Amino acid sequence: AQSVSQHNHHVILSEAASLELGCNYSYGGTVNLFWYVQYPGQHLQLLLKYFSGDPLVKGIKGFEAEFIKSKFSFNLRKPSVQWSDTAEYFCAVTGFQKLVFGTGTRLLVSP
Amino acid sequence: DTGVSQNPRHKITKRGQNVTFRCDPISEHNRLYWYRQTLGQGPEFLTYFQNEAQLEKSRLLSDRFSAERPKGSFSTLEIQRTEQGDSAMYLCASKEGNEKLFFGSGTQLSVL
Repeated sequence: AQSVSQHNHHVILSEAASLELGCNYSYGGTVNLFWYVQYPGQHLQLLLKYFSGDPLVKGIKGFEAEFIKSKFSFNLRKPSVQWSDTAEYFCAVTGFQKLVFGTGTRLLVSP
Repeated sequence: DTGVSQNPRHKITKRGQNVTFRCDPISEHNRLYWYRQTLGQGPEFLTYFQNEAQLEKSRLLSDRFSAERPKGSFSTLEIQRTEQGDSAMYLCASKEGNEKLFFGSGTQLSVL
């Protein structure tokens, strides 16, 4: 069965700092990988996804993620965070139809 | 607004009571999913439908939980004899084929 591990549960950064959130997955077959974001009081929204092709994928709001197959990783990055990036970030993997989420990383960006 | 609608937004109930939640997916989406999310955790998969067929149920889903999607459109999730451990946010999501999953705002259940 697929599983997702997010190592950082809480991250605190100052504005303009660079961000990298770790995500490792476990699944034996072909995977599709996702990052979702949940802003305070809002529903889950898709940031970006990887299905195939270029392992460096760009998403909304300046986020990107790199799929490294040999490391089973799909880390999320942003060169310069803003206060409005304060949210919870979830990595997810899908193999057979259903999406399996990690436990999430709560990001707090201080102005 | 993602287009996935869930009702009610909040439900407070006493232990032992039954509750039912409703999800209206985006109209052309054939797949509908139910997830549960507790504080500090990611959403946990409960079950999913393709049209009216329930194709998978998680082992997390005890016999007290039942979900239906009778006409392949809206879905209901019922919890019988609620327990305090059922307190969580219940999320519904839908998609068409391999497109992205759209989530609703969820129903927050509190069991007293």
